[in-house]
Amino acid sequence: GDSVTQMEGPVTLSEEAFLTINCTYTATGYPSLFWYVQYPGEGLQLLLKATKADDKGSNKGFEATYRKETTSFHLEKGSVQVSDSAVYFCALSDSGSARQLTFGSGTQLTVLP
Amino acid sequence: GAGVSQSPSNKVTEKGKDVELRCDPISGHTALYWYRQSLGQGLEFLIYFQGNSAPDKSGLPSDRFSAERTGGSVSTLTIQRTQQEDSAVYLCASSLESSAGRNEQFFGPGTRLTVL
Repeated sequence: GDSVTQMEGPVTLSEEAFLTINCTYTATGYPSLFWYVQYPGEGLQLLLKATKADDKGSNKGFEATYRKETTSFHLEKGSVQVSDSAVYFCALSDSGSARQLTFGSGTQLTVLP
Repeated sequence: GAGVSQSPSNKVTEKGKDVELRCDPISGHTALYWYRQSLGQGLEFLIYFQGNSAPDKSGLPSDRFSAERTGGSVSTLTIQRTQQEDSAVYLCASSLESSAGRNEQFFGPGTRLTVL
């Protein structure tokens, strides 16, 4: 079945540091890939997405590239801010069953001033 | 509506009682999804509706869980004879459709269920 493996947390960085959160996946079809973010006390929000190989999703300075050869979708940001502190979830939606999202376990990011 | 809404935001109940959780999707969204977020299990898919029908009930953890959707809009998730392991945040999401490319899901704030 489909699965998403995500970098274990928690991750603590200083403001303006470079961020990478690793995500790899297993899917039977041709999945769409997503990063969701959950800020403290808030619901899940879509951060970015990519629907096919070599697509790059980007939003709010975050980027992730759909790498089919390595089955990866790593999240990166060049300079994090305190306001980026949140839990980040990698997820996929398989084209063969384009209904549910399969989520990774989430990575807690804390950015210190 | 402006977004997916869920009620109640918090629910505390006693073991063995039944609970109903409500979800109002974004207006015009035909697909609706329920997920559960718990400490031990992360985010788990429960059930999905396309219109009023539920073609995929594979994620419901037991027969104590059921869900319905009426009028292609509001959905209710019912948990009968609640157990302590049912304690979790129950999330609802909706999307325009369920087909690939039009299934970007928008999430509600969740209902935090605590079973004592």
